[in-house]
Amino acid sequence: EVQLVESGGGLVQPGGSLRLSCAASGFIFSGYSLNWVRQAPGKGLEWLAYISSSISTIYYADSVKGRFTISRDDAKDSLYLEMNSLRDDDTAVYYCARGRGSNGYNFDSWGQGTLVTVSS
Amino acid sequence: DIQMTQSPSSLSASVGDRVTITCRASQSIITYLNWYQQKPGKAPKLLIFGASFLQSGVPSRFSGSGSGTDFTLTISGLQPEDFATYYCQQSYNTPYTFGQGTKVEIK
Repeated sequence: EVQLVESGGGLVQPGGSLRLSCAASGFIFSGYSLNWVRQAPGKGLEWLAYISSSISTIYYADSVKGRFTISRDDAKDSLYLEMNSLRDDDTAVYYCARGRGSNGYNFDSWGQGTLVTVSS
Repeated sequence: DIQMTQSPSSLSASVGDRVTITCRASQSIITYLNWYQQKPGKAPKLLIFGASFLQSGVPSRFSGSGSGTDFTLTISGLQPEDFATYYCQQSYNTPYTFGQGTKVEIK
C-alpha cells in the first residue's frame, strides 16, 4: 500500500524557518516525481513545488520561490520542504503528493498533511 | 499562469441526484485536467485524470468529460459518501493550478 506521511509542522514566528519531511513507503520512491501542495484554513488547494525522479527538474510556485526549497533523499525514501522567511500567509496544512505521468500528470497519492502555523 | 474557474462554488443535492460540476481553463489545456475529492479534515483523493479516465477504485458513477478549456465532472446517482468538496486541476504546465472548489452539500 502506498503511504506518504508528513511531519515537521508546528508553530513558528514570522521570519522563521521550518523543515517539513514526507516519508514514503509501499512503492519504488526513486521512480516517481513528487510535489508539495498546501491548503490555508478554509481555503482551496495551492501547488507549491515539484521535483522530478532524477532531481534534474525542480519547479516552484511564485509565492514560495526563493524562500522554499524542495529536495529528496532516495536512500531514505523521503521528500523535504525547507521553508525560510515564513510569513503569516504561509499558515496552512502542507501535503506531499506523488506525481504520476499517465494521460497527463496527476497526483495519485497524498499524505495526511502537516499543519504549519506562522504567528507571533 | 493558467486560471481555473469552477462553477458552481457550492450546490445542494439529494441522494440519488445527478450532479454536474464545470471547470473552465483560461487557455486550452487539451485534456490535462484532473479532478479531486476532499472531505473535511482529509487529504484530497484523485477521482479523474486526463479529463475522462477513472482512477482505480473510484466508483463508476463518477465521470469526466471535456477538452480544450471546458470540462465537467458528473456524479450519476449521488451517494451519502459523495458529499465533499471537489477540485479541478490543470497539469498542462506549472504552476499546476487548482480551481477554487465546489462544495456538494446535502439538500
